[in-house]
Amino acid sequence: GQQVMQIPQYQHVQEGEDFTTYCNSSTTLSNIQWYKQRPGGHPVFLIQLVKSGEVKKQKRLTFQFGEAKKNSSLHITATQTTDVGTYFCAGSSGTYKYIFGTGTRLKVLA
Amino acid sequence: EPEVTQTPSHQVTQMGQEVILRCVPISNHLYFYWYRQILGQKVEFLVSFYNNEISEKSEIFDDQFSVERPDGSNFTLKIRSTKLEDSAMYFCASSDRQSSYEQYFGPGTRLTVT
Repeated sequence: GQQVMQIPQYQHVQEGEDFTTYCNSSTTLSNIQWYKQRPGGHPVFLIQLVKSGEVKKQKRLTFQFGEAKKNSSLHITATQTTDVGTYFCAGSSGTYKYIFGTGTRLKVLA
Repeated sequence: EPEVTQTPSHQVTQMGQEVILRCVPISNHLYFYWYRQILGQKVEFLVSFYNNEISEKSEIFDDQFSVERPDGSNFTLKIRSTKLEDSAMYFCASSDRQSSYEQYFGPGTRLTVT
């Protein structure tokens, strides 16, 4: 079945450093969503990417969808302590079934 | 701001018992989902529901699981005979086409099977 992997599994950064998480799907995706989950919380939607090669920005966050629509990345510039949490990608092959990635847990050291 | 609500927040049950987890999706949403997350692990898709029927389900969603929208507001997940490995956080989510299928997650129900 479809698998979605993310690397790295964990990342510790000093506040102010940049952070990137990579998402790779075993199958071509129709669209990909990104979520943030704070410790003890629920996933919160960040963004959805649909087009091949699409790049979207939200303040310090930059999201990219690969040309082949099998991979995606999330880059955070100048991390802050409020960025702490686990970042998940979730891919769909065009149905109402979203397969979540394995997640990247980000810790930001002040 | 509208939000998805779930009850109970924590459910403890004995192995073999039936449980019903309840969700109230955002009122104008049409697409509903159940996910589960074992502590510290990834979010796993269980089922999606649209137009009063299951749209997609995962291999986890076997005959022990069922979903229902008994009225215009509630969306329920039933586990007929719970197993120890069903212990997890269960999240309900809802979305609509207008917001590009952005999924709004509820706070979750922690299910503990003893």
